[in-house]
Amino acid sequence: EVRLVESGGGLVQPGGSLRLSCVASGFTFYQYAMSWVRQAPGKGLEWVSIINNSETATYYADSVKGRFAISRDDSKNTLYLRMDDLGAEDTAFYFCARVVYEHGGHFEDYWGQGTLVTVSS
Amino acid sequence: QPVLTQPPSASASPGASVTLTCTLNSAYSNYKVEWYQQRPGKGPRFVMRVGTGEIVGSKGDGIPDRFSVLGSGPNRYLMIRNIQEDDESDYYCATDHGSGGTFVRVFGGGTKLTVL
Repeated sequence: EVRLVESGGGLVQPGGSLRLSCVASGFTFYQYAMSWVRQAPGKGLEWVSIINNSETATYYADSVKGRFAISRDDSKNTLYLRMDDLGAEDTAFYFCARVVYEHGGHFEDYWGQGTLVTVSS
Repeated sequence: QPVLTQPPSASASPGASVTLTCTLNSAYSNYKVEWYQQRPGKGPRFVMRVGTGEIVGSKGDGIPDRFSVLGSGPNRYLMIRNIQEDDESDYYCATDHGSGGTFVRVFGGGTKLTVL
């Protein structure tokens, strides 16, 4: 059974930093690209970032570019998201997801339950 | 980049059928789209993928046969027949676009399906 468990969310002051983690199990982690998607409370889904399976390619939404960094540790089956210079607009549930590449496109086929990041003074 | 447009709400009675629509902007009208179901307080769940015809690939784990998809022009449809109370969820469509060393993933605004 594929399982993704996020952690590291919490309350942080504006301008602060946080690192999210996502521990994966039930599949061969190093073979898959992974992504982060967020959802502000009561709002829709917003893609944040993706990292390929060899960590040679990373991409970011314009809204987080230069402030967030995605990384992975395949020895620990763990995906990370380092978030700096946080603002109120970053308040959201953050989901990690496994990404597959099929028929010319990338998409998330399994998701975690999310971790809540609240940016407030 | 791609833009996906979804009506904010839909409703159906138990046992009825409903069609949810996701519309691509014209320059990307041939793109494949994924459908996701999100129940309150849960992470999204992959439903299935659709291009300009029928399903692309396989359905997500545990998705019942009552769910099907169709693509026509810029529209991507998720059809649910014999609606159950358990189908009450938010439904999102999504697509990706990679070009010239860039990559972007785009989600529609979501449709809240209410089972009356």
